[in-house]
Amino acid sequence: DVKVTQSSRYLVKRTGEKVFLECVQDMDHENMFWYRQDPGLGLRLIYFSYDVKMKEKGDIPEGYSVSREKKERFSLILESASTNQTSMYLCASSLWTANYGYTFGSGTRLTVV
Amino acid sequence: ELKVEQNPLFLSMQEGKNYTIYCNYSTTSDRLYWYRQDPGKSLESLFVLLSNGAVKQEGRLMASLDTKARLSTLHITAAVHDLSATYFCAVDGETSGSRLTFGEGTQLTVNP
Repeated sequence: DVKVTQSSRYLVKRTGEKVFLECVQDMDHENMFWYRQDPGLGLRLIYFSYDVKMKEKGDIPEGYSVSREKKERFSLILESASTNQTSMYLCASSLWTANYGYTFGSGTRLTVV
Repeated sequence: ELKVEQNPLFLSMQEGKNYTIYCNYSTTSDRLYWYRQDPGKSLESLFVLLSNGAVKQEGRLMASLDTKARLSTLHITAAVHDLSATYFCAVDGETSGSRLTFGEGTQLTVNP
């Protein structure tokens, strides 16, 4: 029944490590999104993708990159993790028209030490 | 730039009472979404409102959309403790290309 799956619920990484957060959806959605959520700052869009191999910067792309090699998978990459990237990361997907809104994954709580 | 504002941001209410959460947005849109988030969890879709005058109801929650006023409301009837959560509205602006802009969220606490 799970439709958007994030590979890890909790992650602890060291400063400077390269971190991969994986997101897979099984609804054949065109659009996929990565957000981070921090207390008092709401949901902030990091990157999104409308199609395979396409990516667009969101509001806070610095320090992140993404990869979408297959329609169902959207990966968020922290090139060199820093403590200020400790956060809850949420993946979402939607149809091209977003008529039904987004479906969110269960989230990954990342702690960088 | 599309802005979405919710109020109140924090709401503490007693069981059995009624209240309304407001969501205002700054540009033309006829698509608005409400989500619920429990502590430590992800966002769950509550309502999808796709036209002016749309009204949706589920249990003790009812959402409506007035695109002329650029306003959506989430009305809570006879609140119960299980409704305690954070509620987000999100808007798909006409030029945003299916990219939703989220409000800050309203943290609702229902006290016995």
